[in-house]
Amino acid sequence: GQNIDQPTEMTATEGAIVQINCTYQTSGFNGLFWYQQHAGEAPTFLSYNVLDGLEEKGRFSSFLSRSKGYSYLLLKELQMKDSASYLCAVIDSNYQLIWGAGTKLIIKP
Amino acid sequence: DAGVIQSPRHEVTEMGQEVTLRCKPISGHDYLFWYRQTMMRGLELLIYFNNNVPIDDSGMPEDRFSAKMPNASFSTLKIQPSEPRDSAVYFCASSWGSSGGSYNEQFFGPGTRLTVL
Repeated sequence: GQNIDQPTEMTATEGAIVQINCTYQTSGFNGLFWYQQHAGEAPTFLSYNVLDGLEEKGRFSSFLSRSKGYSYLLLKELQMKDSASYLCAVIDSNYQLIWGAGTKLIIKP
Repeated sequence: DAGVIQSPRHEVTEMGQEVTLRCKPISGHDYLFWYRQTMMRGLELLIYFNNNVPIDDSGMPEDRFSAKMPNASFSTLKIQPSEPRDSAVYFCASSWGSSGGSYNEQFFGPGTRLTVL
């Protein structure tokens, strides 16, 4: 079956760094997305990885290892506004988008 | 562009009633997705369209759910009859396609919060 695993919840301190992991087992792979979703709002796009390696975009970076079925989202210089859920999603070989359950990130002062 | 537009934003109805949710995608996008989100099940893809044609409706829970896209700028998701377990936030999202049949980042609408009593 298709499966995406993320930690349910993580807590970090303002100004620190946090890494949110995502592992996947899907029938094929055509790309991986990370989305951010604040409570009561719609998901918004953060990053897209299709090749191995690190993609950096400001305070956020996303890493992919296709051979390991693994990705992480790295958030630096955490701010209170980064408190949100972070969703990992994979496009499989049939171009179906498989979503993880999301990781709720709590930032403490 | 105004982004993806959904209506209504909130809907409260009684069990057995018909519910119609509406979506206007971003102009130029050729993919449209309908999602349902609950605390228990997370974000679930219900159906998606490419160039107004339904491509995958395997996520539609049962025959009570139906979706249409009569043109590139409008789609509806209908639940008839509605049941309390249909209570959720329903999101519409749109995207433009890339080569090979895949698609790019999805832009989500604000969602419709549906409560079925």
